[in-house]
Amino acid sequence: DGGITQSPKYLFRKEGQNVTLSCEQNLNHDAMYWYRQDPGQGLRLIYYSQIVNDFQKGDIAEGYSVSREKKESFPLTVTSAQKNPTAFYLCASSIDAGASTDTQYFGPGTRLTVL
Amino acid sequence: EDQVTQSPEALRLQEGESSSLNCSYTVSGLRGLFWYRQDPGKGPEFLFTLYSAGEEKEKERLKATLTKKESFLHITAPKPEDSATYLCAVQASVPGNTPLVFGKGTRLSVIA
Repeated sequence: DGGITQSPKYLFRKEGQNVTLSCEQNLNHDAMYWYRQDPGQGLRLIYYSQIVNDFQKGDIAEGYSVSREKKESFPLTVTSAQKNPTAFYLCASSIDAGASTDTQYFGPGTRLTVL
Repeated sequence: EDQVTQSPEALRLQEGESSSLNCSYTVSGLRGLFWYRQDPGKGPEFLFTLYSAGEEKEKERLKATLTKKESFLHITAPKPEDSATYLCAVQASVPGNTPLVFGKGTRLSVIA
């Protein structure tokens, strides 16, 4: 089955710890994205990557870091510098059709809770 | 700045009671407008992409329409399984891959 997987589904972190959220896709998509979703809020873009070894900051990148060493993988690290990390994190991917409209497909999400 | 506003925030319908959800947008040229469905605790599921004013797309009980300033998601004779949050997003028409801008969603509840 082609799709996007995220792990773990639930993650608990103590204050001051860094944690890494996994995102893998087997759709052969070039572009990958990380969003944060809070109750009553829209999806807010954290980072995105259009190609291996390259990524761009989104609207709320502070306190987060990413890497893109392989086309199919785009892990997100939530660092201790992120002041309010408790949220639902969503990973997405798209073909990245350049000038054409590019539909994003989402993974199932990871719910991070800071204890 | 590109913006998306969805209304109402929440909508409660009786089964079979048709209605519409609204997505108003301001964008520097529209490349595409997207509708997603999101169930609680899950990732958004893609429904439709609309590209230009006047375009319509249908899927089962859902029909999406687009004008130059807004999009409507019409739900005809809804069933309880249509209960979900419906998200609207736009992509601006600028060179290269531009990120989507999402609205906050409309939470739909359909009561049997």
